[in-house]
This record gives sequence, C-alpha cells and structure tokens, in this order.
Amino acid sequence: GIQVEQSPPDLILQEGANSTLRCNFSDSVNNLQWFHQNPWGQLINLFYIPSGTKQNGRLSATTVATERYSLLYISSSQTTDSGVYFCAVQKTSYDKVIFGPGTSLSVIP
Amino acid sequence: GAGVSQSPRYKVAKRGQDVALRCDPISGHVSLFWYQQALGQGPEFLTYFQNEAQLDKSGLPSDRFFAERPEGSVSTLKIQRTQQEDSAVYLCASSPPTSGGTPNTGELFFGEGSRLTVL
Repeated sequence: GIQVEQSPPDLILQEGANSTLRCNFSDSVNNLQWFHQNPWGQLINLFYIPSGTKQNGRLSATTVATERYSLLYISSSQTTDSGVYFCAVQKTSYDKVIFGPGTSLSVIP
Repeated sequence: GAGVSQSPRYKVAKRGQDVALRCDPISGHVSLFWYQQALGQGPEFLTYFQNEAQLDKSGLPSDRFFAERPEGSVSTLKIQRTQQEDSAVYLCASSPPTSGGTPNTGELFFGEGSRLTVL
C-alpha cells in the first residue's frame, strides 16, 4: 500500500514565524488533503489539493503530484495554529484514505 | 444534517463489554470511512463503505470489530468483548460523490469522534 511520510515530526515556533511542513507519498494519488487537529481532537479540513497551489489566509499548500510530495506553508504563525497537522492521500476513489504520522506544531508567544 | 454526527461522544466500558458507536454522515455522501486514533498517533483506517456495501475492511484489528451500514446512511461500529487496547478515539468521515459519478472525491469530512475508554 501507499506509504505517507511527514516532516518534521515536531516543530516549535515563536509567534510570528513562518514554517513549511512536508508530506511525501510513495505512489501516485488522485487525492490529497491537509488537516489540522486542534487540541480538542477535532480534525479540521485545511486544503483539498490533489495538485497545484491553493491559499487561504495565512496558509497555503502546494502539491507536486508527479514528484509525489505536498507542502503546507504557515506564515505569521499564531498560538492558535498549535496542534497536529496531517496529510492524507487516496490512490483512487475506490480506495481507502491513508494518513501520514503528522507534524506536531507548538507556537509559543 | 449539516455535518457528520457521532454518538456517543464519550463511552466508558468495562473490559469484556460490547459497545456500539454510531455515525450519521452528511446527507448525500455515499462514501463513509471509520478510523481509529490512539493517543499520540495518526488516524488508522478501519473500514470503508460505499452506500451499504463494505468495500474494504482490511483495517479492522480483529474479528471482535464489526461495522455495518444497512440502509446506506447511518453506520454503526460494534466492538465485542472490549479489551483495554481498544481504548482510542473512533472517527467517522464521509466524502461527497464527484460530478462525474465516481463514488467520492476523496475529500473527507470528519465528525467529532467517539472516545472509548476500556477499564
């Protein structure tokens, strides 16, 4: 099955700093999604981005499907950005969606 | 409903008891997924339904775990003879169909989860 890796596993940022999170996957995928899991455990959809680039406020994401990776950019980080960021991939619409191990982000004031 | 609804939110069971966890997906979503998330880990796939058909149950950890979706809407995950290692958050997600007719876009929308603690 598809293997999903995320880096870095842990990240500590000063408030206001920028960061880049990476997701690598071992096979071609039709679908890729980024989630933020907040401290209360809720998985929040950030981006549905099988390919290309999208932006939403301080967050943006880029997926290069041919090279099997995706990047999530967080600019001007805030303490509310703390939590775990997951990428999840799906090979085809008939397959399960597989999650990476996550990046745990702590933003300190 | 407006979002994916799961119940109960919290469940404490004594070892050996049976539990049932319910998921009500977003209306119109034919694809439904169950995940298990242990403390400090990412969500692990359990099983996947398209309408009432269970297309993949490869992630169910043992034959004590059983899932059904008899009418293609609400789904129930049942765990028989619970063990302490079953303690986790059980997450349900649904995914909308594509305009082209494939069963889902792969974009998952999650409920708040059911936290199971087995004593």
